Parts: sequence; structure tokens; C-alpha cells
Amino acid sequence: DTGVSQDPRHKITKRGQNVTFRCDPISEHNRLYWYRQTLGQGPEFLTYFQNEAQLEKSRLLSDRFSAERPKGSFSTLEIQRTEQGDSAMYLCASSLGTGGGNQPQHFGDGTRLSIL
Amino acid sequence: AQSVTQLDSQVPVFEEAPVELRCNYSSSVSVYLFWYVQYPNQGLQLLLKYLSGSTLVKGINGFEAEFNKSQTSFHLRKPSVHISDTAEYFCAVSMDSNYQLIWGAGTKLIIKP
Repeated sequence: DTGVSQDPRHKITKRGQNVTFRCDPISEHNRLYWYRQTLGQGPEFLTYFQNEAQLEKSRLLSDRFSAERPKGSFSTLEIQRTEQGDSAMYLCASSLGTGGGNQPQHFGDGTRLSIL
Repeated sequence: AQSVTQLDSQVPVFEEAPVELRCNYSSSVSVYLFWYVQYPNQGLQLLLKYLSGSTLVKGINGFEAEFNKSQTSFHLRKPSVHISDTAEYFCAVSMDSNYQLIWGAGTKLIIKP
């Protein structure tokens, strides 16, 4: 069990640029989640995949955000035309499960995005 | 709707003293309960979970929590804290019908030497 891996750990970019983050979940986990966390707050749900299908996307997520999970393995989160308000820690988590929430989610160390 | 309340945003405690971090939830259905710890600039690490069975749950790093259904609480305790326990602690709940975790706002544990 190598844990959830996220890359890069830190990303600094200028406003208006596009950024892409990668998440490699625990290999046998079929569920994958993306969260955003700002300083002093708990994780805010962004989107959820079961295998390769994106089953839910937060209404808070603007059209500038897109996520994929081709082949149900790793996932990417892209933010287009970044804005100052996108500065945050982006967390990826994975878990087993097909129904309810009795399987704990395991988190990566996150990608910290700073917009100049 | 389900919600999770962590009443204390910060808890200062002296090293080697006991600590309790409070978590209350509201739900009309059965829940699963989790505590996560977040060290600075890191992701969240699962401390312990309650799914069913014994209401006293033991986790990593000497932490334990007790599920109290009548009081809808899941408080986290440690009998003697260490400076390395300095972190933010999050309580979360989920249900049988939904994969989503509902998060508390977090409690910062501050260890005083």
C-alpha cells in the first residue's frame, strides 16, 4: 500500500494560466474524490469518481474546473484561466465502496496552488 | 440535513496533560463516524473510525473516541498529549445511503511546553 500520491506538491502560477494536477489513488480503490481546502477551513467537496465515471460534481465548481479519470486509475484536475480565488490546497482521496459511506477515505498530501 | 459541529476552534493544553476534542453531529439516520488529523502542509490522515459494534474505538497515536448515540457525539480523547500531537483535527460523518463525508470545521490542538 503506497498510499495516495499527488503531483506536484506546490504550484505557483500567474493569474490567467491553466494548471493541471495529478492524483494516483491506492491501486485497488475504485472511488476517487477531489477536495479544495483553504486556510482554517475543512475540506470542500469538488467532485467524485466511481471507477472512470464522474458521478458527482459540486455546484460550487465553475466551468473552469474539469476532472478526468481515464481507465479508472489516476485522475487529473485542470483549472483553466486561474483566478486569485483559486489559491488553495487541492486534496485527492480514494476509497473502496459501491454504495454508502462505510469505507474510510484515504488522502494524499495535496497540491498547494498559489496564484500570483 | 446532516451536519457536524466541532465547537472548539482551538484547544490549548499542556504537554502530558489529557485532552478531549468535541464533535457533535445531527442526523436522522445511522451514521459512520471518522476522525482525521492534519499536520501542517500535509493531507488528512485517518485517526480512527466508528462503523458499528463497540462504542469505544481506539485509533493510532494513542487516541480513542467514544460514540454516544443518545447525545449524538463522538468525542476524541488522549490521556497524555505530546508536542508531536500539534495539528488540526477534523470530525466527519457519512451514511449508508451516500458516499459523501460531512465535515466539521476542525479543531486546532495547541500543545504548550
